[in-house]
Amino acid sequence: QVQLVQSGSELKKPGASVKVSCKASGYTFTNSNMNWVRQAPGQGLEWMGQISTNTGNPTYAQGFTGRFVFSLDTSVSTAYLQISSLKAEDTAVYYCARVNWYFDLWGRGTLVAVSS
Amino acid sequence: QSVLTQPPSVSGAPGQRVTISCTGSSSNIGADYDVHWYQQLPGIAPKLLIYGNNNRPSGVPDRFSGSKSGTSASLAITGLQAEDEADYYCQSYDKSLSGSYVFGTGTKVTVL
Repeated sequence: QVQLVQSGSELKKPGASVKVSCKASGYTFTNSNMNWVRQAPGQGLEWMGQISTNTGNPTYAQGFTGRFVFSLDTSVSTAYLQISSLKAEDTAVYYCARVNWYFDLWGRGTLVAVSS
Repeated sequence: QSVLTQPPSVSGAPGQRVTISCTGSSSNIGADYDVHWYQQLPGIAPKLLIYGNNNRPSGVPDRFSGSKSGTSASLAITGLQAEDEADYYCQSYDKSLSGSYVFGTGTKVTVL
């Protein structure tokens, strides 16, 4: 079955870090770049960037540099999103998505809540 | 900040036709990049609805159709049904700022 399975919800305190995983199955992981999309509560979709599953080279969208890191473990077909120095405004659902110009396969999303 | 603008909401009675516009610029839709559409039901991940301006993935009803002209695109839903009540987003590629994927602001479709 072609799918992206994301890790579960996280509740973190401001200043902490979080690492979200996205495991691909049912297709060749290295055939498509993995993208990350943020959706804050009640808001729209915001493209965070992508990572080449061939080279591991990440590309970050404006506003997602510095505290956001994309990584891979191709041996287990898994992509990761790490966010450091968490702030309240990072509270959102984070989606991973397979992209070939369009986002044709999405994970279910991971809620990251940041609260003291 | 989204560079593709959509109306915040549209509504229609069951069976009616509604359209959603997606307005871009010369660095995205107007630069001949394709437009794609997604449907997001409440509490669920987005789902690809239209790709390549006017193509439907397998399983998407033919009530949904897309078009593109100049710096804009549109999604039409004919024969509106209750299960079509959702948020809809357009998406394209923007060649400015070293290139990036961009989403529209989103439109809430309400079935009256």
